[in-house]
Amino acid sequence: AQKVTQAQTEISVVEKEDVTLDCVYETRDTTYYLFWYKQPPSGELVFLIRRNSFDEQNEISGRYSWNFQKSTSSFNFTITASQVVDSAVYFCALNSGGSNYKLTFGKGTLLTVNP
Amino acid sequence: GAVVSQHPSWVICKSGTSVKIECRSLDFQATTMFWYRQFPKQSLMLMATSNEGSKATYEQGVEKDKFLINHASLTLSTLTVTSAHPEDSSFYICSARERTGRETQYFGPGTRLLVL
Repeated sequence: AQKVTQAQTEISVVEKEDVTLDCVYETRDTTYYLFWYKQPPSGELVFLIRRNSFDEQNEISGRYSWNFQKSTSSFNFTITASQVVDSAVYFCALNSGGSNYKLTFGKGTLLTVNP
Repeated sequence: GAVVSQHPSWVICKSGTSVKIECRSLDFQATTMFWYRQFPKQSLMLMATSNEGSKATYEQGVEKDKFLINHASLTLSTLTVTSAHPEDSSFYICSARERTGRETQYFGPGTRLLVL
C-alpha cells in the first residue's frame, strides 16, 4: 500500500523567511513518481513538480527547490525568501504507475506567509 | 499547455435534484480523468477513475448510482450527482492525464456544490 505523510499541518512564517515543507512516502514499488501541488485559496490545484524514482537530482526553480532522498523516502520542498503569495495548502503526492496512475495524496500543509 | 476546465465553478441546488459537472481537457487528449472530492481543510479523496469509452472505476465506499460518470470523449468527462442531498455538498475536482502516458495529472479549478 502507498502512503504519503506530511507531518506539518500548518506553518506560519514571516515574509522573506525560508521555509521547508516535509514529505515522507511509503511504497513497495521500485518505479514511482512524486509530485508537489499548490492549492491557493481559490481551490485550484497547481502542478509544481514531478520527480521520478530513478532520478535523485535535486531541482531548483526560482525560489523553489526540492530535495529527493530515496534513502529516507523523503521529498522535501523549500521556498526561499517566502512571499505572501506563497500562502496556500501544499500537497505532496505519489503514484506508482500501474493501472491509471492513481495519486495518493498527503494531508497537506497549510503555509501562511505574513507580511 | 495542459489546461483543464470545469463547469460550473459553483452551483447551489435544492435537495433531490441532480447536478452535472463537466471536466474538459482544453489542449490535450486525456485517456484518463479522475474525480475527487474535498471537504474543508482536508485532503483530496479520489472518487473514481474514468477512462474514455469504458465504465468508470469507483473507489471503495463511493456509490456508483449516486455519482454517475461518463467519459464520452478524449477531452470530456462528466460527473452527475443524482438526487443530491445536503451531505453531498462539497468541493469536486477533476484531473486529467495525457494520452501519451505521462504520469502527471493536471487539475481543473473545481466545482463547489451546495445542496440546500
